Amino acid sequence: QITLKESGPALVKPTQTLTLTCTFSGVSLSTTGVGVGWIRQPPGKALEWLALIYWDDDKRYSPSLKNRLTITKDTPKNQVVLTVTNMDPVDTATYFCVHTFYGSGTYDYWGQGTLVTVSS
Amino acid sequence: DIQMTQSPSTLSAFVGDRVTITCRASQTITTWLAWYQQKPGKAPKLLIYKASNLESGVPSRFSGSGSGTEFTLTISSLQPDDFATYYCQQYDTYSYTFGQGTKLEIK
Repeated sequence: QITLKESGPALVKPTQTLTLTCTFSGVSLSTTGVGVGWIRQPPGKALEWLALIYWDDDKRYSPSLKNRLTITKDTPKNQVVLTVTNMDPVDTATYFCVHTFYGSGTYDYWGQGTLVTVSS
Repeated sequence: DIQMTQSPSTLSAFVGDRVTITCRASQTITTWLAWYQQKPGKAPKLLIYKASNLESGVPSRFSGSGSGTEFTLTISSLQPDDFATYYCQQYDTYSYTFGQGTKLEIK
C-alpha cells in the first residue's frame, strides 16, 4: 500500500519561501516509472497542479508558477521536497502530495494534505 | 493552458437518481481526461481515467464517456456516499489543469 504524508510550516509570511516535504512509503523513486508531485487547493476553490518529479529526475512545472517552484527528490529517504518562493496570501491553500506513474497522467494515491496560510 | 469548464457548478438530486456532469476542454485532449471525487476535508479520489476507464475498486454505477473536447461523468443510481464534489482533469499537456468542480448535493 502506498502512503504519502506532507509536512511543513502551517504559517508563512508574505515574501518568504515555503518548503514542503512529502515522505512516502510503499513505493520508491528508484523504481522505473514512478513519479511524485504536488497539487494545491485554496480554501473552497478548485485544484491546481503544481509540479512533478520522476524516477529519472525528469521534472515538470506549472507554466504559470514555474519561476517560483523547485522540486527535488531524496531517493534513499523516500522524500520529495517542493519549494515555493515569494509567498503571497493568494498562495494560501492545502498542499497535497501525489503519486503517479510515467505516462498515466493521473494521481492514484494522495497524501492527506497540509494547510499553509500566508499572512503577516 | 488548456481550460476545463464543468457544468453545472452545483447539482441537487435524490438518492436513486441518475445524474450527469459535463466537462468541456478549451481544445481537444482526445481521451486524456480523468474524474475525481472529493469529500469535505479529504483528498480527492481517482474514479475514472482515459475518459471511460473505471479505476480499480470504484463502483460500477460510475461511468465516463466522451472524447475531443466534451466529456461526461454519469452516476446511474445515486447513493448517499456519492454526495461530494467532482473534478475533471486533463492530462493531454502539462500543466495538468482541473475543472472548477461540481458539487453534488442531496435534494
